Amino acid sequence: DIVMTQSPDSLAVSLGERATINCKSSQSVLYNSNNKNYLAWYQQKPGQPPKLLIHWASTRESGVPDRFSGSGSGTDFTLTISSLQAEDVAVYYCQQYYGTPQTFGQGTKVEIK
Amino acid sequence: EVQVVESGGGLVQPGGSLRLSCAASGFTFSTYAMSWVRQAPGKGLEWVSSISPSGDVTFYPDSVKGRFTISRDNSRYTLFLQMNSLRAEDTAVYSCARHQTGNYYSGYGAWGQGTLVTVSS
Repeated sequence: DIVMTQSPDSLAVSLGERATINCKSSQSVLYNSNNKNYLAWYQQKPGQPPKLLIHWASTRESGVPDRFSGSGSGTDFTLTISSLQAEDVAVYYCQQYYGTPQTFGQGTKVEIK
Repeated sequence: EVQVVESGGGLVQPGGSLRLSCAASGFTFSTYAMSWVRQAPGKGLEWVSSISPSGDVTFYPDSVKGRFTISRDNSRYTLFLQMNSLRAEDTAVYSCARHQTGNYYSGYGAWGQGTLVTVSS
């Protein structure tokens, strides 16, 4: 199984400041034949289902604010919120869909400082 | 509007069975891969099973293989999860998720609110 490890487990950021979440996979999720990283990021607010933010590691889903960006390749990935807003308080998960079972990171809780 | 709505959860004794349903609307159901994902209370996300658009290919993690069966009825726009030999560790909110494409190797573009399954005596 591909193990996804996020860091940190939680972080508190001031409004308007940058938030950075890291995700490391135990093996590469880059498919060489199409040069795509099979990695997604989700946002889950309390009492709500997850929402897809980023897929293919760096492609923002339609309607997602451009303060959210994804980067990285192979085994190391980052989700960045460039200017944290109050509505961004949530738990964020990375997920790999390269292999079976599809696996998620343990989640990172983002709060306002 | 894309919608998926789960039903069928409830309280069941260990060793019992339950069948979950997921009603889809707002998209052409038969062209998308679908999955079930669960979340135990206060815990993270765990993939449970997936099915191809036509229903001929299914995927399971070892934790549920042989106990759970995913299926779909494209004419009724409905996804199912038959859960047998339930264990306490299966207690979770079960959510239906639509993949972004017909390919299983894609992210989950739409999720339902979920239905709670509690396995307890």
